[in-house]
Amino acid sequence: AQSVTQPDIHITVSEGASLELRCNYSYGATPYLFWYVQSPGQGLQLLLKYFSGDTLVQGIKGFEAEFKRSQSSFNLRKPSVHWSDAAEYFCAMDGGTSYGKLTFGQGTILTVHP
Amino acid sequence: DAGVTQSPTHLIKTRGQQVTLRCSPKSGHDTVSWYQQALGQGPQFIFQYYEEEERQRGNFPDRFSGHQFPNYSSELNVNALLLGDSALYLCASSPGQGFGGEYFGAGTRLSVL
Repeated sequence: AQSVTQPDIHITVSEGASLELRCNYSYGATPYLFWYVQSPGQGLQLLLKYFSGDTLVQGIKGFEAEFKRSQSSFNLRKPSVHWSDAAEYFCAMDGGTSYGKLTFGQGTILTVHP
Repeated sequence: DAGVTQSPTHLIKTRGQQVTLRCSPKSGHDTVSWYQQALGQGPQFIFQYYEEEERQRGNFPDRFSGHQFPNYSSELNVNALLLGDSALYLCASSPGQGFGGEYFGAGTRLSVL
């Protein structure tokens, strides 16, 4: 069975500091991988996606993620966090043959201190 | 372009009742997927509709059913509501057999009392 694990439930960083959110997946092949952001009471916004090719993926709002097959990971990074980045972040995967059936991690809540 | 729209935004029901949630996909999209997001959890896939048929289904009981109309809009129906059905219900739309998670609606918050 496929699964996504986000080991950190809650992360706190200072504004201007760098950020890395961890994501590990379990799947028998290389999946499609995604990161989403969700503000309180809102739907999901897609930050970036990895299907194939270059393992470093650039997204919106200055985010990037790196796919590492050997570690089954797809960590999200941002060099300098802004207060407006405070939200909940979800990593998700699609097995590639399931027509867009996404499996999500449990999410990481990001708090940004001024 | 209005994007993915869901209605209503909030809903309060009592145990045992039935509820219908609605989703209008983004213009040009013909596939609709539904997700349940319980408080503090990631979304869980309920089912997906394409060409008015349920194409695939997640691990949800038969109390959860859906429908897709010729204009590609979709409904999610939940019968015999349980307290545990309280959640944010999200709809995502996509074109055909492409990636299904590009566009999500803002969701319907269902509270079961």
